[in-house]
Amino acid sequence: NAGVTQTPKFRILKIGQSMTLQCTQDMNHNYMYWYRQDPGMGLKLIYYSVGAGITDKGEVPNGYNVSRSTTEDFPLRLELAAPSQTSVYFCASRQGQGGYGYTFGSGTRLTVV
Amino acid sequence: RKEVEQDPGPFNVPEGATVAFNCTYSNSASQSFFWYRQDCRKEPKLLMSVYSSGNEDGRFTAQLNRASQYISLLIRDSKLSDSATYLCVVNSRAGNMLTFGGGTRLMVKP
Repeated sequence: NAGVTQTPKFRILKIGQSMTLQCTQDMNHNYMYWYRQDPGMGLKLIYYSVGAGITDKGEVPNGYNVSRSTTEDFPLRLELAAPSQTSVYFCASRQGQGGYGYTFGSGTRLTVV
Repeated sequence: RKEVEQDPGPFNVPEGATVAFNCTYSNSASQSFFWYRQDCRKEPKLLMSVYSSGNEDGRFTAQLNRASQYISLLIRDSKLSDSATYLCVVNSRAGNMLTFGGGTRLMVKP
C-alpha cells in the first residue's frame, strides 16, 4: 500500500514550457486534490475531484488543468510555465467527506526559470 | 475573515515545556476538525482528529469549543522532534474539502 505517489520529486522548467505532474493513489479514494505551497506560506487549493470524470476549480486554478479519467490518477497539467508557478505542489486524497482527513503525497518541487 | 485562523508564531519553548496553540474557525456548521503537522520541506501529516469531547494521544491533547468556534492543541513535555508547523484543519462550508489554517510554527530548544 503505497498511499499517494507523486512524480517527479523535482523539476526545473523554462518559461513557456509545459509539463504534467503525476499523482496516483492506491487506496480507492474518490476525493483527490492539488495544492500549491509557496515558501513560508500556507496551502492553496488549485483543483479537486470528487470522483472519476468530475473536476472542479479551487482557489488558484489559472495556468493549470486537470483530468480524472480513473479513480487512481489525478494529473496536473501546467501550460506555458511562468516564474509565478515556482512552488511545491502537493497532491492529496480522501476517502470521503465527514471525519476523513487527507493523505498527502510527498510533493513535487517545481522551479520555473 | 479567514475561514480558519491561527497565530503564526513562532513559539520558542525549551525542552520539557508545555505549549498550547489555538485556532478559530468561521463556519459554525463545521463538523470535522483535525490537527496536521508539517516538517520543513515535507508534506503535511495527520497528527490527530479533534472530537467534541476532546481527545488525547500520548503527550498531545486536542479540545474543541463549538460555542466559541475554536480548537486547541496542547503539547506536554515538548521534545526537540516536536519542532514543526502545526496546521489547524476544518471541514469546508461545502463539505467536500478541508480548509487549512496558515499554521503555527513551533521551535523547541535544548
